[in-house]
Amino acid sequence: QVVESGGGVVQPGRSLRLSCAASGFSFSYYSMHWVRQAPGKGLEWVSLISNDGSKKHYADSVKGRFTISRDNSKNTLYLEMNSLRDDDTAVYYCAREATLLVVVGDAFDIWGQGTMVIVSS
Amino acid sequence: DIQMTQSPSSLSASVGDRITITCRASQGISDYLAWYQQKPGKVPKLLIFAASTTQSGVPSRFSGSGSGTHFTLTISSLQPEDVATYYCQNYNSAPITFGPGTKVDIK
Repeated sequence: QVVESGGGVVQPGRSLRLSCAASGFSFSYYSMHWVRQAPGKGLEWVSLISNDGSKKHYADSVKGRFTISRDNSKNTLYLEMNSLRDDDTAVYYCAREATLLVVVGDAFDIWGQGTMVIVSS
Repeated sequence: DIQMTQSPSSLSASVGDRITITCRASQGISDYLAWYQQKPGKVPKLLIFAASTTQSGVPSRFSGSGSGTHFTLTISSLQPEDVATYYCQNYNSAPITFGPGTKVDIK
């Protein structure tokens, strides 16, 4: 399973770091993703990181502001969010790409419960 | 970027009805297509991957088909527990993209 944490209420322009703790599988073998969902809206893919951290991709909407990283020794995924804007308000999910050692080639089979980020003054 | 569209945006059907949701990609994505079910207030759940392969534990009334740019999700006999929003997802390449969703409820 994966469990997100770190969400909360933050003012526009400020920063926040989300964490996703994984357990029950060999975390270091899987690519991981962040997906968000604004209130009442659909799913939006945010970012991915390969199993070894060497490959990273971002949605245009967060490029240059968000940074994905991982610590395989701690089985933890991170999302550093800077220069937050009102439209970053969403539930943020971390998700596992289903096939080990694949980067963008499979669906997401494990999702966390999500952590809510509210950007508001 | 590859854009995903879904139709209809919502539908209402009776228990036992066969329903079909369509997903289209703006360019060919082979079979790199997944379907997710999200019940109200819940986490998305993987139903179908590789366009037509059903995830373990998913009821057999769910099936997927298609390749290239046109895909469908079919529920052969709608059940009350199938009330949810269904999303298709392109994972052919980054950026990964989701369809806007189809909301299904019971008439």
